[in-house]
Amino acid sequence: NAGVMQNPRHLVRRRGQEARLRCSPMKGHSHVYWYRQLPEEGLKFMVYLQKENIIDESGMPKERFSAEFPKEGPSILRIQQVVRGDSAAYFCASSPMWATANEKLFFGSGTQLSVL
Amino acid sequence: TQLLEQSPQFLSIQEGENLTVYCNSSSVFSSLQWYRQEPGEGPVLLVTVVTGGEVKKLKRLTFQFGDARKDSSLHITAAQPGDTGLYLCAGAERETSGSRLTFGEGTQLTVNP
Repeated sequence: NAGVMQNPRHLVRRRGQEARLRCSPMKGHSHVYWYRQLPEEGLKFMVYLQKENIIDESGMPKERFSAEFPKEGPSILRIQQVVRGDSAAYFCASSPMWATANEKLFFGSGTQLSVL
Repeated sequence: TQLLEQSPQFLSIQEGENLTVYCNSSSVFSSLQWYRQEPGEGPVLLVTVVTGGEVKKLKRLTFQFGDARKDSSLHITAAQPGDTGLYLCAGAERETSGSRLTFGEGTQLTVNP
């Protein structure tokens, strides 16, 4: 049973380019969460999605960031016109149902984004 | 915004020693989770505590949730080099908000052989 798959593992972009991060949840999971981990900081919630729906995007920056989880295919976190401050590790997690406080989240290995 | 403060931020000890890591907040959480993260990998859940005053044991690790559900501690007995890693606590807000977790900044533990 494959875990949460994220790709690419490492992504290098120049300032102003676009970054696309992909996340395939665990088999049978329909809920996806994106977190960002800046250097020397803890993980910060960004967005929570179900298939074709954004449930909670209160942690997403207002500009340049967007996320989707289409009916088919992986969830995509898209960052337009990247800046150096976007450099971070981006983690995806999935869960099988409306995750209560007791529900276990399964995290992927992350995508390390470096902006030159 | 609910905040979680972890202490100490860094901890370096010798194999066989005991240690305690703390996670504190001024806010109440419906539950609190502890994760361990290796370099270049995602966090892996160790335990979830839900009830105030709850104590859970996982081999040499003991987790406690404060009576008021504002704080938690992780105690490791007879630490081993394999325990080295970043330990993160994460609080879940009310269940109606799904699994949005608030993470502490972590305690980097190094156990020297």
